[in-house]
Amino acid sequence: AQKITQTQPGMFVQEKEAVTLDCTYDTSDPSYGLFWYKQPSSGEMIFLIYQGSYDQQNATEGRYSLNFQKARKSANLVISASQLGDSAMYFCAMRETNFGNEKLTFGTGTRLTIIP
Amino acid sequence: DGGITQSPKYLFRKEGQNVTLSCEQNLNHDAMYWYRQDPGQGLRLIYYSQIVNDFQKGDIAEGYSVSREKKESFPLTVTSAQKNPTAFYLCASSPWAGGSWAQYFGPGTRLLVL
Repeated sequence: AQKITQTQPGMFVQEKEAVTLDCTYDTSDPSYGLFWYKQPSSGEMIFLIYQGSYDQQNATEGRYSLNFQKARKSANLVISASQLGDSAMYFCAMRETNFGNEKLTFGTGTRLTIIP
Repeated sequence: DGGITQSPKYLFRKEGQNVTLSCEQNLNHDAMYWYRQDPGQGLRLIYYSQIVNDFQKGDIAEGYSVSREKKESFPLTVTSAQKNPTAFYLCASSPWAGGSWAQYFGPGTRLLVL
């Protein structure tokens, strides 16, 4: 089974609208972390936001927020007031701690295109 | 400026040749990682190191080797045993492995086979 599933291969959103990128995950580890990264066409991966499995509040970083629904194993990224510069690939990733061996598993990504 | 540098930006490999990708960080991070990205795919972990002179295999270590002789450097060698090396290679570092620490990435190296 896929550890991280991103079901939206591509999305087109009008500038200034909010956008939600979906991410579901699968783990039996009680302690885990969820990350979102942005990858522009240049290729570099840019860290956006983090949510820990024991965090009670949803994480927020500027225009980015993470809608964490633990029971549903869902960690959707919400971008408010989208901008043209938000056009990029977005990856959801999960860190599990399995007997001290760190693993970061990435989804296949969502390509977001902001339309002027 | 602090950051992660990777060189070269593009690398061409001939059949049967070993090539080494450089990764350097001046962030004083303990943990370093190598990932491979194929077109339309997410990242897959090749090797990681949590401390100098120690490293662990990731999910796709076959055909690759690494060393960690200095804290700031984590070079990756793509050996001739790696039959399909054409990919985008990303190096990352983290203050230490685990917890809420994110991994911060370099600009990547594109490896092409001639």
